[in-house]
Amino acid sequence: KAGVTQTPRYLIKTRGQQVTLSCSPISGHRSVSWYQQTPGQGLQFLFEYFSETQRNKGNFPGRFSGRQFSNSRSEMNVSTLELGDSALYLCASSRQTGNTGELFFGEGSRLTVL
Amino acid sequence: GQQVMQIPQYQHVQEGEDFTTYCNSSTTLSNIQWYKQRPGGHPVFLIQLVKSGEVKKQKRLTFQFGEAKKNSSLHITATQTTDVGTYFCAGPPGNQFYFGTGTSLTVIP
Repeated sequence: KAGVTQTPRYLIKTRGQQVTLSCSPISGHRSVSWYQQTPGQGLQFLFEYFSETQRNKGNFPGRFSGRQFSNSRSEMNVSTLELGDSALYLCASSRQTGNTGELFFGEGSRLTVL
Repeated sequence: GQQVMQIPQYQHVQEGEDFTTYCNSSTTLSNIQWYKQRPGGHPVFLIQLVKSGEVKKQKRLTFQFGEAKKNSSLHITATQTTDVGTYFCAGPPGNQFYFGTGTSLTVIP
């Protein structure tokens, strides 16, 4: 059974640019959530999508957005990149939405903003 | 706002020693999960606790959920080098998971 796949694994951008990250969940999982991981802030919740609808959103500015497609694949976009956006972006899938299911994480997309 | 704190932030132990990390929430949690992240890796689910006062064991790992459902602990007996990594608790006071700050464990052979 394939795990959660995130692409790209590594990318370098400059300030002001935008970036799109992709996440393919485990087959049958309809919930996809995104987390930002930095050494100073730990794992911070960005948002969760279930059946193409955003169910929950963390405390991030509007530059961070996402969407989910009918096949449950999800993308997140960060516009007008800032140096502080450098982080490991982790995607996690789960069978159900909310707060009861085990989260299966992908390997992450490591973003460096110069 | 909601905070899930873990202590200690770092722990170095000699191989064979025991290790404990504590997780404390400012609000009551409906359940709590624990994850392990190896260096350079991604978080991997270890266990979920739901009931007040619940204790679960996985080989050398013992997980506890506090009576008030505001705290939890993970205890590792006789650590091995394979236990190296960062251990996170995650609790959902609402509809999303808040991850603790994590405890980074180093095991010295």
